[in-house]
Amino acid sequence: GESVGLHLPTLSVQEGDNSIINCAYSNSASDYFIWYKQESGKGPQFIIDIRSNMDKRQGQRVTVLLNKTVKHLSLQIAATQPGDSAVYFCAERSTGKLIFGQGTTLQVKP
Amino acid sequence: EPEVTQTPSHQVTQMGQEVILRCVPISNHLYFYWYRQILGQKVEFLVSFYNNEISEKSEIFDDQFSVERPDGSNFTLKIRSTKLEDSAMYFCASAALTGLGSSEQYFGPGTRLTVT
Repeated sequence: GESVGLHLPTLSVQEGDNSIINCAYSNSASDYFIWYKQESGKGPQFIIDIRSNMDKRQGQRVTVLLNKTVKHLSLQIAATQPGDSAVYFCAERSTGKLIFGQGTTLQVKP
Repeated sequence: EPEVTQTPSHQVTQMGQEVILRCVPISNHLYFYWYRQILGQKVEFLVSFYNNEISEKSEIFDDQFSVERPDGSNFTLKIRSTKLEDSAMYFCASAALTGLGSSEQYFGPGTRLTVT
């Protein structure tokens, strides 16, 4: 069946360090992946996306890497800030709907 | 910046009662979605809606659930007879495009439904 998951439930980093959040997906037919950030009491907020014909995509302070060989997705956040503290979800799009992983809580220590 | 809005922010209801959760998608969007998130768990797809009909629904979206776009702006989720396990955050999302010409789904702030 389809499933998307994350490797670690919690990641704690020092302010200013780089963060790497990982995700494994199982549907090799998926062609579009998204990272969402969810702050407490709010809905998921789009961070960055990547299509399956790409390996890497960069945004402002964020980079998404896609390894289709091992069905692995990662989100890299450069110079992590306290405002980055949130739960991060990867999601794959299948027939229009989004399939979310479990989420990784990023804690940024000052 | 345009955003998806949802009302109410919190709804408390008794088991067996009907609830209607309301959403106003972004005005030029054509695709609409409902998701739910049980406390501490991942976000789960419920239903997608396009051109005034359901495009896809999950196993969760049984006969107790229905969606409607009663006018040009609102998109509602109705639960006919709520159960305790319906307690969750319900998120509405909308997108301008889908499929190959895809655009991102924008999520609303959610409605917290508590069934007692």
